[in-house]
Amino acid sequence: EVQLVESGGGLVKPGGSLRLSCAASGFTFSSYTMTWVRQAPGRGLEWVSSITATSSNIFYADSVKRRFRISRDNAKNSLLLQMSSLSAEDTAVYYCHVRGVDGFDLWGRGTLVTVSS
Amino acid sequence: DIVMTQSPLSLSVTPGEPASISCRSSQSLLDSDVGNTYVDWYLQKPGQSPQLLIYALSYRASGVPDRFSGSGSGTDFTLKISRVEAEDVGVYYCMQRIEFPLTFGGGTKVEIK
Repeated sequence: EVQLVESGGGLVKPGGSLRLSCAASGFTFSSYTMTWVRQAPGRGLEWVSSITATSSNIFYADSVKRRFRISRDNAKNSLLLQMSSLSAEDTAVYYCHVRGVDGFDLWGRGTLVTVSS
Repeated sequence: DIVMTQSPLSLSVTPGEPASISCRSSQSLLDSDVGNTYVDWYLQKPGQSPQLLIYALSYRASGVPDRFSGSGSGTDFTLKISRVEAEDVGVYYCMQRIEFPLTFGGGTKVEIK
C-alpha cells in the first residue's frame, strides 16, 4: 500500500526536544524529495522543511532554522525530524508529505506535537 | 518569500451552484524555461489530511472530478467548482512550489448552504 505513517508526536515541555519519524511504503522513497508540513490548531498549513532524494539539499522555514533538523534513511524508507528548543508556537499536527511529477502527491495522517508545561 | 493571498476567507454555496476561489502570489510562479506555472490547489476536508486537487496551475490530480478546474497566469489564479456538491466542504489552499520556502495561502473555507 502506498502510504506515509508519522510517529513520535506527544506532549513536551517548553525548551524540550522531540524526534518525529515518517515511514514510507509503496513507492520508491529514495527517488523523491520529502517534506514536513505542520498545522497549528485551527490554523492553516505551514511548510517546515524539505530534503532532496539524496540529502544533497536541505531547506528550512525561518521559524525552525537552527532548531529543527531533517534527515532521511533511504535504506529504511524513513524520514526524520529532530526538533529542539521547542516552544508553544511549535504546537501543531506535523504531516509528512511527498510530491512527485505528474501529480503524485501523498500525505500522512499527521502526528500531534503539543508543547506545554 | 513569496506571499500567497487567497480570497474569499469563506464561501457558503448552494449545492449545484458554482464556486470560485482566488489566489494571488507576490511574484510570478511561471517558470519560463519549462513553461510551467507552479501553483497547486489542495482541499482539506474536516478531520483529514490535505489532498491535491490541481497541480501546475490547471492539471487535475488523479481521481479528482472534472467539476474542479484551475486557471490563471503569472500571479493570479482561480480554482473553480462548476457545481458544488456536499462532499466538497472543507478548506481550500493554494500553494506555490516554484521556490523555497514553499508557501501556502491562508485558506478558504467552503460550506454548504
